[in-house]
Amino acid sequence: GGIITQTPKFLIGQEGQKLTLKCQQNFNHDTMYWYRQDSGKGLRLIYYSITENDLQKGDLSEGYDASREKKSSFSLTVTSAQKNEMAVFLCASSRDSGNTLYFGEGSRLIVV
Amino acid sequence: AQSVTQPDARVTVSEGASLQLRCKYSSSVTPYLFWYVQYPRQGLQLLLKYYSGDPVVQGVNGFEAEFSKSNSSFHLRKASVHWSDSAVYFCAVTSGGSNAKLTFGKGTKLSVKS
Repeated sequence: GGIITQTPKFLIGQEGQKLTLKCQQNFNHDTMYWYRQDSGKGLRLIYYSITENDLQKGDLSEGYDASREKKSSFSLTVTSAQKNEMAVFLCASSRDSGNTLYFGEGSRLIVV
Repeated sequence: AQSVTQPDARVTVSEGASLQLRCKYSSSVTPYLFWYVQYPRQGLQLLLKYYSGDPVVQGVNGFEAEFSKSNSSFHLRKASVHWSDSAVYFCAVTSGGSNAKLTFGKGTKLSVKS
């Protein structure tokens, strides 16, 4: 088995601030994902990466940057935090992009 | 393009009753279909998945789902629910392939009354 670790669990920042979420996986999976979860809206894909140094935009990539410098880690940066972006951000990984996703417990973004 | 519709945002059932959570999908190719569950303050966990073959697939904790190509549906069922089944359930679809994305529905919040 493996685990997905997201840090921090809670990220508090000010409006306009650049904020970064980190994700580590020890499954040795090739593909990693960042989803945003808003109440009543389900999960929306922000960025995904099918291998180290690869980045693919999802449906909600505007206002975000991502980085996959190592196979085991995938970070997401909110380039200028806004109050309407307060949500839970979920990281996931899979062996390949058609396969089962394994999720972390999520990071909650709070903008003050 | 692909999409998933879960028409019921909330479902409440009594403990011991049967359950069906509905999922309709849209996909231009034969889809791969998934049900995930999210317990409070946790990430999502896979319940079951359908790739091909027998349209009824069994999952964990007594859940099953039935794929219907004619109805574009993948409904989730359980014969007898327990209070611990209270959670949010997500249906998801992908076309497979090396660069396919997984598209989620908005989720159905299940509350089980004891």
